[in-house]
Amino acid sequence: GAVVSQHPSWVICKSGTSVKIECRSLDFQATTMFWYRQFPKQSLMLMATSNEGSKATYEQGVEKDKFLINHASLTLSTLTVTSAHPEDSSFYICSASLIRANTQYFGPGTRLTVL
Amino acid sequence: QQQVKQSPQSLIVQKGGISIINCAYENTAFDYFPWYQQFPGKGPALLIAIRPDVSEKKEGRFTISFNKSAKQFSLHIMDSQPGDSATYFCAATSGNTGKLIFGQGTTLQVKP
Repeated sequence: GAVVSQHPSWVICKSGTSVKIECRSLDFQATTMFWYRQFPKQSLMLMATSNEGSKATYEQGVEKDKFLINHASLTLSTLTVTSAHPEDSSFYICSASLIRANTQYFGPGTRLTVL
Repeated sequence: QQQVKQSPQSLIVQKGGISIINCAYENTAFDYFPWYQQFPGKGPALLIAIRPDVSEKKEGRFTISFNKSAKQFSLHIMDSQPGDSATYFCAATSGNTGKLIFGQGTTLQVKP
């Protein structure tokens, strides 16, 4: 149980284009989903917290107009990297938490490479 | 005060040995302490977690020891296996925010 999927698992795009990453909780309903960014050999950096039906809450320093988050249902959240640039290349990971629980279950991650 | 400090940064253990990773925190509002295991190119997987009302929790070869007064907790991997070679992250959170505060990570290598 508690499986989270992400799609795509990897994406290569040209600078200036937008990329959408989907995060789904497959076998449970998640009131809250989180988006992280991870650079090689570093820890996870929380970008934003998204609650179903509400606007996402972004961490300090994260550009909300660049990283658009939509949490349309209890099983789906999307992250759109708008006008991507090479410095946006990273490993993006989502997580979902069960209703009224602290436990976060992570997706497999999406490797974004911007050329 | 929101930091979780993790050590060591890297660890090499012989097969069959005990791997020990330590974490320390400052925020006494934290009430949930999970450990995650991450393999290269994959997302973190929940390994084991503990709440501060318990001093130890064991699941198979993995044990969390929790010292509330010292604000420290550690992960012990007994009978370490080469398949345990991965990066381990401790984390802490409170029910108020649900946000996980991660440690810096420990890269474990278990030599056959």
